[in-house]
Formats: sequence, C-alpha cells, structure tokens
Amino acid sequence: DAGVTQSPTHLIKTRGQQVTLRCSPKSGHDTVSWYQQALGQGPQFIFQYYEEEERQRGNFPDRFSGHQFPNYSSELNVNALLLGDSALYLCASSFQGSDYGYTFGSGTRLTVV
Amino acid sequence: KQEVTQIPAALSVPEGENLVLNCSFTDSAIYNLQWFRQDPGKGLTSLLLIQSSQREQTSGRLNASLDKSSGRSTLYIAASQPGDSATYLCAVRSYSGAGSYQLTFGKGTKLSVIP
Repeated sequence: DAGVTQSPTHLIKTRGQQVTLRCSPKSGHDTVSWYQQALGQGPQFIFQYYEEEERQRGNFPDRFSGHQFPNYSSELNVNALLLGDSALYLCASSFQGSDYGYTFGSGTRLTVV
Repeated sequence: KQEVTQIPAALSVPEGENLVLNCSFTDSAIYNLQWFRQDPGKGLTSLLLIQSSQREQTSGRLNASLDKSSGRSTLYIAASQPGDSATYLCAVRSYSGAGSYQLTFGKGTKLSVIP
C-alpha cells in the first residue's frame, strides 16, 4: 500500500520564478494538506483541500495556491518566489472525518537562489 | 488560535536511559494528538496517535500520555538507543470550522542518544 508520494524531491529555483510541487495521497485518503517547514521550525499549515476545494488556509500570501484533482492528488503552486520561500514542503493526507490521523510524505526541498 | 509548545528544544542522553519529552497546547478542545519522528531533511513518520477520549497509547518502547484538561502530553521513550536520535514533533488536531480540522505543530525536540 503506497503511502504519500511527493515530487520532486529537491528543487532549485531563482527568485521571481514560479514552482509547482505535486502530491499523491495515501490510498483511501481524500484530503490533502500542505505544510511549509523552515529549518529548525515545526511545520506551518498552508492550506487543505477536500472535494477539489480549498477548505482551510493558514497565514500565507496569495502567491501560494493549490489544486486538487478528481483522483485526490494535489499541486502546490508558488509564484514570484522569494528567498524566504526556501523550505521543506510537506504534504499530508487523511480521510475526512476519520480518527486515523495524518500520513506525511517525504517532502520537497525547495531552495530559492 | 491553537499554540503548541515542546520542551526541551534539545536533549542529549546516554544510551540506555529512559527519557520524557513534553508537549503543551493552549486550547484543550482537541480532536486528537499525534507524535511524529523526523530524521534530518526527511518527512514525518507517525509514532503514536491519541484520541481526545484516551489517556495513553503504547507502541514498543514508546508510551504517549494525554491530559486534555491541562493541555499536556508526554512521550516516554524507554531504554533509548542511538537509532532513536531524531527530532520529535507533537501535533494537535483541532476543529477549525466549516467541517474541517487543522493540525498544529510544536517546534520539536531534537534528541541525541550518545552510544
């Protein structure tokens, strides 16, 4: 049973560029959440997608946007990259309303130069 | 707004020692609490999940307790091993409105087990 799959593993982008990160949830999960983790910090909630809609959003600017597809996979898009966007981006999947907690992927390491 | 604090930020212990990691949260209206392990530069591995109605959960050498009324959880690791060296993160799941739940993390405790 495949867990959460994220791609790419690592990415280097130039300031001002745009980036797209991808996530496939664990089989049976229908909800995807995205987190940003800066070095030495805990993960910060970006947003959550369920039924192809953004359901909740953390304190992130509109440069961060996302999408969820009918197969429950999701994309995170970041426009006009800043140096401060350099971080580990984590995707977590869950089943809406279940008690079984979240399953995380291995993350995408984004470096903005 | 839910806030999660983990103490200590870092801990170094000799191999074989028992240890306790602490987690506190400000809003006791939680759905459940999850402890994760994170190796450097890697994703999160779930260790234990405690529902709001439960007091503790055990898995092997790990035991997590939850006191929802006081906003506290502890992760007890017995007979620590060098392979336990990692960052341990506590996360609480709370209702955030409109039928959705949100996971809020602490900053983690970085554990080093010295052989």
